[in-house]
Parts: sequence; structure tokens; C-alpha cells
Amino acid sequence: RKEVEQDPGPFNVPEGATVAFNCTYSNSASQSFFWYRQDCRKEPKLLMSVYSSGNEDGRFTAQLNRASQYISLLIRDSKLSDSATYLCVVNIVGQGGKLIFGQGTELSVKP
Amino acid sequence: EPEVTQTPSHQVTQMGQEVILRCVPISNHLYFYWYRQILGQKVEFLVSFYNNEISEKSEIFDDQFSVERPDGSNFTLKIRSTKLEDSAMYFCASSQDSPSEQYFGPGTRLTVT
Repeated sequence: RKEVEQDPGPFNVPEGATVAFNCTYSNSASQSFFWYRQDCRKEPKLLMSVYSSGNEDGRFTAQLNRASQYISLLIRDSKLSDSATYLCVVNIVGQGGKLIFGQGTELSVKP
Repeated sequence: EPEVTQTPSHQVTQMGQEVILRCVPISNHLYFYWYRQILGQKVEFLVSFYNNEISEKSEIFDDQFSVERPDGSNFTLKIRSTKLEDSAMYFCASSQDSPSEQYFGPGTRLTVT
């Protein structure tokens, strides 16, 4: 089983749509959770950390369910500039800060 | 806004040659990392470094790899004898604490011919 698994994608949506990304992780010792975005051939950029209580940043909402080992990201009112690959990332306790990345889900927002 | 910088942006080398990839982490960060991404694949952890020591390393990070913080600002990754399969994008990252949000540099594209 993959350590971090995401929807394979790609997602093609019109501007203004709401998009949901799902992610599961296999190691119950995972302690920190993040969503990064990656534009083509660029570095991963931190989008947001994910907290147990859920958190929101503008149009972006992240949720964590530790019991199900499931993380989600919701993008509302999607913009053309949201087109990118979204990476689900976890950190496991006691592993020196190592981040484990999912394969990523590509999003393409069309006019 | 402070950012991680990396040089060079692209390095082409012949198989068997040594390469050194350079990074300048964010100035008040204490934890440093190297990751790589082979084209079309996911980002993979190589090594983490804190207080002048390796904290964690992956199976990829074998004896051919080494890291160093030669002065107060630079953090380097050395590959002693490059192989074709070392061709990848190498990202440096840094964080203030661990575990904590990590910020990535723009990467060095390494091409081994």
C-alpha cells in the first residue's frame, strides 16, 4: 500500500467550479499534514497545513480525519490560476522532519 | 519575503563525474533538507540535516551522496560519481522547526549523460 495515496486525476473543471481532492495515508504515526501545489517543472509551494479541527484560507478548506487516515482539500470558486498539481504531504513522528509526498492530482481550470 | 535559493539552475555532467549542488536556506531556519523528483514521478526525500548532523536519510542517500554546511549560509549536496539514474530535479528545503512547514527552493535540474 502506498504511504500517501491521492486521486489519480486529472481534474478538468470550468472557472467558478468547486473541486475536492482526496488523500489517504497508511502510517498511523503520521503527525503533520500539508497540501502543497506544484506548477509544471517548478518547486512545491506550501498551500496550507492541515489541522485536526479543519482549517480554511480564503477559497481553500482542508480537513483531516485521523480515524480514517484521510485528508481533503476543497477549492471553491476555482480560478484559472489554480491550475497546478496538488500534492498531499505527511510527516511521520521521529523521522527527522522527512516529508512523504503523494503522487499529486493535476487540476486544469478552463475558462 | 525570504526564500530558499539554489544554484545552478541546470547542471549537465557526464556519468562518473562529481557534482555539487548548492543551496542557501532561509536565514533563520535551522533544519535543512534535500529532495529529488525524477521526471513524471513524485517528490522523494533524500536527507535531513540539523545541528551539523544528518537527522534522517533515505535508501536513495547511499555512500555516493554527502551533505555539508560549509559556512553559516550554504548547504550543499555532493554526488561523488554520478549515474544516469541520478538525473532528476533536486530541491533543497528548510524549516524553522521540525516538524514544521518546509519551504522549497526552485531546484537544480541535474542531467547525467
